[in-house]
Amino acid sequence: QQQVKQSPQSLIVQKGGISIINCAYENTAFDYFPWYQQFPGKGPALLIAIRPDVSEKKEGRFTISFNKSAKQFSLHIMDSQPGDSATYFCAASKEETSGSRLTFGEGTQLTVNP
Amino acid sequence: DTAVSQTPKYLVTQMGNDKSIKCEQNLGHDTMYWYKQDSKKFLKIMFSYNNKELIINETVPNRFSPKSPDKAHLNLHINSLELGDSAVYFCASSSGPGWAFFGQGTRLTVV
Repeated sequence: QQQVKQSPQSLIVQKGGISIINCAYENTAFDYFPWYQQFPGKGPALLIAIRPDVSEKKEGRFTISFNKSAKQFSLHIMDSQPGDSATYFCAASKEETSGSRLTFGEGTQLTVNP
Repeated sequence: DTAVSQTPKYLVTQMGNDKSIKCEQNLGHDTMYWYKQDSKKFLKIMFSYNNKELIINETVPNRFSPKSPDKAHLNLHINSLELGDSAVYFCASSSGPGWAFFGQGTRLTVV
């Protein structure tokens, strides 16, 4: 059972364009929604994250939009650059007393053409 | 300074062998994890330790045994390796709920 569903699987964008990746979750107990960026041969790196009491969070060119009632959230990359080409994972977790697991989406392979 | 370091980075071994992957973090985090990334890049948690105590043990074959000698180290030992164990294994650490700092990964290939 996939608790976090991510789309699209792959995305090709021209330089300067907007990249949009969508995720949907099932478990309403999730209370933290991070996005990770992974380059080939590297580990996933935390990019930006949001809690469900906020509808939008922006950090530079990266914005998370969150719709609690629809149980959906999305990542927008403005002015996409070739250096943004990577695999992006949405994730969800719930705060626990000690340690917490990340439940990942399936990943989106983003290619930004120059 | 590498925050979460794993060794080895690549591991090629034959079916039936036993192998270990080592992980160390210098971030002072209390919680460490092992995640598995399959050939389709899907990431799934395997284990979580908090201050050397096992917190999360997902449905993982008991051929996989984590060991945490101290809170800065979490090693993964795999017995009787099978072809299906081929994957990239990531160690991660965290000081707070919901996020984790990942290592570079160990690409395990079983032949």
